[in-house]
This record gives sequence, C-alpha cells and structure tokens, in this order.
Amino acid sequence: DAKTTQPPSMDCAEGRAANLPCNHSTISGNEYVYWYRQIHSQGPQYIIHGLKNNETNEMASLIITEDRKSSTLILPHATLRDTAVYYCIAPLYNQGGKLIFGQGTELSVKP
Amino acid sequence: GAVVSQHPSRVICKSGTSVKIECRSLDFQATTMFWYRQFPKQSLMLMATSNEGSKATYEQGVEKDKFLINHASLTLSTLTVTSAHPEDSSFYICSARAGASREKLFFGSGTQLSVL
Repeated sequence: DAKTTQPPSMDCAEGRAANLPCNHSTISGNEYVYWYRQIHSQGPQYIIHGLKNNETNEMASLIITEDRKSSTLILPHATLRDTAVYYCIAPLYNQGGKLIFGQGTELSVKP
Repeated sequence: GAVVSQHPSRVICKSGTSVKIECRSLDFQATTMFWYRQFPKQSLMLMATSNEGSKATYEQGVEKDKFLINHASLTLSTLTVTSAHPEDSSFYICSARAGASREKLFFGSGTQLSVL
C-alpha cells in the first residue's frame, strides 16, 4: 500500500552522481517524503527527508518538485559502498506514522 | 545519531521452540516501536506497531498469538516467535521513534532467524 513508486533498479558509475527518482503523486500537502536505504542483510538507514523545500545533508540531496508529485534523491559522488536498495516512503500519519515499504530501487554502483 | 540495538543478530532454533528478539533504544525513549520481517529478495513487511504500556497493533494477516510483542518500557520492546516453524525463518527488524509521528525512524540491525 505504498504511496510511492520507484524504478526497480539503476546503475551508476563510481564517482558519478546517482539520481534516484520517486513518484508520489497522491501524498497530501502535510506529508513528508523520507528516504532510507538498506545494504544487504542490514537494517534500513535513514538518509534524508523533506516536505516541499530542497534538502541537503552530509549524505545526499533531496529535490522535490514544486507540485510535490515527485522527488529525486541525489548521491553526488557515488561510491561502491552506496550499492543498496533505496526506499522512498511517505509515513502514514493517521496510523501512528508507520512506514510501509515499497519495493525500492536497487542501486548498483560499478567501478 | 540515535541508536537502536537489536539482539540477537542471528539465531538458529529447532521447530516448535520459541525465540525472543529484543529491541532497545539506547539513547532515547521510544514511545513507538515497529516490527518488520523480510524474506530474501523482498521488501520489508510491517508486522505490528508497539506502543509502550499498551497492546500492540498487528497488521492484517499477522497472527498475534504467534508473534507476541511486549513493550514494557520506553527503551525495550520484545518480539517472541512462539512455536517456530521453518516458514517463520526470516529476517526480523525493529525500528523506533523518539517522539511524534513526524520524527524519523531508527532501525535495528536485524535478526536472522533460521528454524530447522
């Protein structure tokens, strides 16, 4: 029941920027978009979140379109360690803020 | 950042036995914790929401008598898989939130359960 859709897989060359898209055309005006990633056999790791302004932290940048129907996670200089499954999620605030994970995007960073 | 500790990281048990998995928030009080399970090559599936001092809320299709959740304190939630069977073998992951529902979730490192 995820309200987001992502491409199932992407490749990126090491050292280049990885741009991961996410469509969330049905989220409401007060719902944040969160990004997590999961490296094989580990728990998910928080990356970044935003509402309507672009956000940047030490890990990534998040670009949200003005109509809030989509966003892009940018890893500016991808490394091999960034190979993971990336999840774009909108929490269900009317259900305690639980996160329902979709299938995510499997990013492969190649040398 | 906040840390969620999950233990054990791996457990192997015989069919019919019960297994308890602990999830602790180490440097914050978690009013809400969530339990997920994940099968190979699949996404995380939410099992239940655990609120301190009250009964857990289970997702549709998850047997509450099979997966017992206890959230007795603001820093500890436990998941007990009762009478485990091979089909319960999975990767179980807990997560915790410090405050309001808009706060980010922190995840444990997961527990790989193998039932023989």
